Amino acid sequence: AQTVTQSQPEMSVQEAETVTLSCTYDTSESDYYLFWYKQPPSRQMILVIRQEAYKQQNATENRFSVNFQKAAKSFSLKISDSQLGDAAMYFCAYRDNNAGNMLTFGGGTRLMVKP
Amino acid sequence: DGGITQSPKYLFRKEGQNVTLSCEQNLNHDAMYWYRQDPGQGLRLIYYSQIVNDFQKGDIAEGYSVSREKKESFPLTVTSAQKNPTAFYLCASSMGHRTAFNYGYTFGSGTRLTVV
Repeated sequence: AQTVTQSQPEMSVQEAETVTLSCTYDTSESDYYLFWYKQPPSRQMILVIRQEAYKQQNATENRFSVNFQKAAKSFSLKISDSQLGDAAMYFCAYRDNNAGNMLTFGGGTRLMVKP
Repeated sequence: DGGITQSPKYLFRKEGQNVTLSCEQNLNHDAMYWYRQDPGQGLRLIYYSQIVNDFQKGDIAEGYSVSREKKESFPLTVTSAQKNPTAFYLCASSMGHRTAFNYGYTFGSGTRLTVV
């Protein structure tokens, strides 16, 4: 079974600085999808960014970008110019065809942003 | 606007009672899911359904039941057999065909269940 590991239970960053959240996963598949979700205090899960494994180019969405290292099975999230509104739980997730379209989530990283 | 609606937002249950959490979507998604989230923890899968009138147990199905009589609806019943039901419950949906896997899930806003 696929597993997703987020090794940082908590991270903090100064406002306007850059922070990187780590995620590793275990799979024997070559075709899969990776996601980062944000869960603010409202508890609503929001899709931040996604990456398709067959694409070598790292995905970018405004201040959010990923560093996708397929061989190392690593999928880190970089948040640039951190804002107070970025404070939230962040979950890394994995999905592949053989998993019956199921998402497997990591345990989450709580990000605190200091003013 | 399309989306997923979970109700109620807060729910209180007495010991020994069954309660049902509602989840409705108008996204025309084939698949629906229920997750449980405990404080400071990740999401654990309770049940999922990939098609109407069919559903499968997830990792922590004991003490829960579901039905999928309509494509739009996937209610979750927390039975008295669930010994520790206090948690935050999230419903999600997704398109079922493989070409849409890169879209991930759409989530509802959750239901907070408390045993009193």
